[in-house]
Amino acid sequence: EVQLVQSGAEVKKPGESLRISCKGSGYTFTIYWITWVRQMPGKGLEWMGRIDPSDSYTNYSPSFEGHVTISVDKSISTAYLQWSSLKASDTAMYYCARQDNGMDVWGQGTTVTVSS
Amino acid sequence: QSALNQPASQSGSPGQSITISCTGTSSDVGSYNLVSWYQHHPGKAPKFIIYGDTERPSGVSDRFSGSKSGNTASLTISGLQAEDEADYYCCSYTRSGTYVFGTGTKVTVL
Repeated sequence: EVQLVQSGAEVKKPGESLRISCKGSGYTFTIYWITWVRQMPGKGLEWMGRIDPSDSYTNYSPSFEGHVTISVDKSISTAYLQWSSLKASDTAMYYCARQDNGMDVWGQGTTVTVSS
Repeated sequence: QSALNQPASQSGSPGQSITISCTGTSSDVGSYNLVSWYQHHPGKAPKFIIYGDTERPSGVSDRFSGSKSGNTASLTISGLQAEDEADYYCCSYTRSGTYVFGTGTKVTVL
């Protein structure tokens, strides 16, 4: 079964760093880009950026460039989304998705709560 | 880049058809045949229902269909069912090499 499994919910304080993960299985991980999507509470989906697992090439939405870093460890079929200094406004649900013709396989989502 | 514009809400009775619009620009929707649509039930992961403007992935009900004219893409849900009540999002590739989602449409089955 093709699936993406994300790491569990996180509760952090402003200024802390964080890395969440997305592990692919059931397919050749390096063939498909991995995309990250944000959904803030009560808001819509936002495309954050994507990574090509074969060579770690990334591109980001202008809204997120410089605020987050997307990376990958292809040896363990895992993509990451990380922050160096969280803000309260980073509180959201984060999804990873496999990017083919569209985003055809999604992770279950990771809730990130940033609160002092 | 700005989100694609969708109506905030749409409703219909069981069995009816509804059409959700997704308006972008010549730099995204109008440039490529790369609009996709997603159904999102709260608390669950989004589900991929249309790609390439008009194509339906395997296993997706044929009650869902996509179309496009110029800078506006559309999703039609035919034979509306209670289970179709969800949020729907379009998404388009852009000339910047990134993607952009629509603002989302809440579909209510009356």
